[in-house]
Amino acid sequence: GAVVSQHPSWVICKSGTSVKIECRSLDFQATTMFWYRQFPKQSLMLMATSNEGSKATYEQGVEKDKFLINHASLTLSTLTVTSAHPEDSSFYICSARDANRANTEAFFGQGTRLTVV
Amino acid sequence: KQEVTQIPAALSVPEGENLVLNCSFTDSAIYNLQWFRQDPGKGLTSLLLIQSSQREQTSGRLNASLDKSSGRSTLYIAASQPGDSATYLCAVRVSFQKLVFGTGTRLLVSP
Repeated sequence: GAVVSQHPSWVICKSGTSVKIECRSLDFQATTMFWYRQFPKQSLMLMATSNEGSKATYEQGVEKDKFLINHASLTLSTLTVTSAHPEDSSFYICSARDANRANTEAFFGQGTRLTVV
Repeated sequence: KQEVTQIPAALSVPEGENLVLNCSFTDSAIYNLQWFRQDPGKGLTSLLLIQSSQREQTSGRLNASLDKSSGRSTLYIAASQPGDSATYLCAVRVSFQKLVFGTGTRLLVSP
């Protein structure tokens, strides 16, 4: 299967600072990447769809100015949580789809545990 | 709006048992259904992908079935092992962009 690498796996930051999370497809090209958020003991909620070379598409209720997404290459998408607050503490997971596969199987990164203190 | 439900929410079994996890969805207009495994604090590992035109997929001790018309899928795990302990998530693809996830079943297999 395809490998998606997410970094860092965990981060603790002070309230008001910004945090960048990277998502890389290691052995395939991903024209589209997806960012999810997961609260404890809850399922994954799609935050935004990241398209290489164009603006991300955000789900309803997700603040685009707070969660900045950049997808500058076919193997890298970044999510920056700006001016983080304790309520932003969560588990963030990215997903990527192989542009050369027709079966739309989704592959996920290892996730990033963000704690804002 | 698509809603995905997984039953049971938690399951505890002794090693060696065969078990079935259930996933139901409200809208049968899906492209495919995918089963994932999630270990605590980790990302998702894809287990099986069933296209909307397929009825089942098998991988090792895992077998997943799909009845699109009734909005149901089952994940069958044969001869369970302690290493199978994890949360199992099902997700239906409703568009190119969107996967809708269930709430998961937390499985504990005791030695």
